[in-house]
Amino acid sequence: QKEVEQDPGPLSVPEGAIVSLNCTYSNSAFQYFMWYRQYSRKGPELLMYTYSSGNKEDGRFTAQVDKSSKYISLFIRDSQPSDSATYLCATLYSSASKIIFGSGTRLSIRP
Amino acid sequence: DTEVTQTPKHLVMGMTNKKSLKCEQHMGHRAMYWYKQKAKKPPELMFVYSYEKLSINESVPSRFSPECPNSSLLNLHLHALQPEDSALYLCASSQDGRANEQFFGPGTRLTVL
Repeated sequence: QKEVEQDPGPLSVPEGAIVSLNCTYSNSAFQYFMWYRQYSRKGPELLMYTYSSGNKEDGRFTAQVDKSSKYISLFIRDSQPSDSATYLCATLYSSASKIIFGSGTRLSIRP
Repeated sequence: DTEVTQTPKHLVMGMTNKKSLKCEQHMGHRAMYWYKQKAKKPPELMFVYSYEKLSINESVPSRFSPECPNSSLLNLHLHALQPEDSALYLCASSQDGRANEQFFGPGTRLTVL
């Protein structure tokens, strides 16, 4: 079993829709949960990170962690064509240097 | 300055060549990382330098040799690579050894002929 599971997609939605991206993880010891956005042929860009359970909001983006079910979500409101990218969920132990990445979900927003 | 820069952007090399990838950051971060990313796969950690000392080496072949001359610079020396080493090589940095706020550079796209 992979430590972080993520549906690779592709996921295609119309502009303006609410997008829900999800991951599950296996190790309850993980403490930090991150979402990265990666455009084609570019490096990953950190969108936000969450420590432990709860929600975090930044503009149109909301990250949600449910440690009881080991579930990580990213919601994108009012999706734009510029949101088309691969989204990587990631996690790590407290004080750790090694990020555990999901496989990434390719998202396409149709104008 | 809030970015990680990498040079060159593209590199094509033969299997007998020696080349180097360079990475630089001026955010005062004390941890720097090298990753390898194949198409449609997540990044794979290769090396971690924390306070200029190699702290993680993920059993990468010796044809890849990292060097951290100072806290702002990170090099990856390449020698006798194989075609399967063709990939996007990403550099990243973080404030300290904790990777939760890790900033990535744009990467060097390497092709080995």
